[in-house]
Amino acid sequence: SNSVKQTGQITVSEGASVTMNCTYTSTGYPTLFWYVEYPSKPLQLLQRETMENSKNFGGGNIKDKNSPIVKYSVQVSDSAVYYCLLCISNFGNEKLTFGTGTRLTIIP
Amino acid sequence: NAGVMQNPRHLVRRRGQEARLRCSPMKGHSHVYWYRQLPEEGLKFMVYLQKENIIDESGMPKERFSAEFPKEGPSILRIQQVVRGDSAAYFCASSPNRAYSGYEQYFGPGTRLTVT
Repeated sequence: SNSVKQTGQITVSEGASVTMNCTYTSTGYPTLFWYVEYPSKPLQLLQRETMENSKNFGGGNIKDKNSPIVKYSVQVSDSAVYYCLLCISNFGNEKLTFGTGTRLTIIP
Repeated sequence: NAGVMQNPRHLVRRRGQEARLRCSPMKGHSHVYWYRQLPEEGLKFMVYLQKENIIDESGMPKERFSAEFPKEGPSILRIQQVVRGDSAAYFCASSPNRAYSGYEQYFGPGTRLTVT
């Protein structure tokens, strides 16, 4: 079965860099999306990683079943919940699985 | 280009009543997905539909829940005889092609269902 794990909460000061991890288990061909949820706003796409466009984000990538997102010089306005979504294409086992989200809080 | 529309945004139902949640996908999108977010939890996949077809309902509770996406009009998620445990945020998303193949989903603002 597929599972997606994310760090629950991260608190950092304004101006810092932060890495939010997304690790997964699955069989099949993966695509990983990162979405951000600001209060009272729909989920917005931040990043899409496939096996073809895989990069080394913050020391990890989709091929290693770890697709982090890195934010540099964060601002208070970056405070939000960040979700990782795993899409698996595999005959008989196509799945859409969200992580539980990382709540990022930026302190002024 | 209007985004994914959901209505109502807030819905209050008493136990035993029916809840109908509507989702209008983005223009040109024929693939619709419903997700549920229980309090303090992440989003959980419920059902994937294309026009007039249910493609994957593996995340739908076996009883009381149904979904449709007719040829004309919005997609409807129906919950019959609601119970307190159905209180949650229900999100709809649409995509131009199968999300399983890596196509981006566009999300609506959600419907907050409260069962009293």
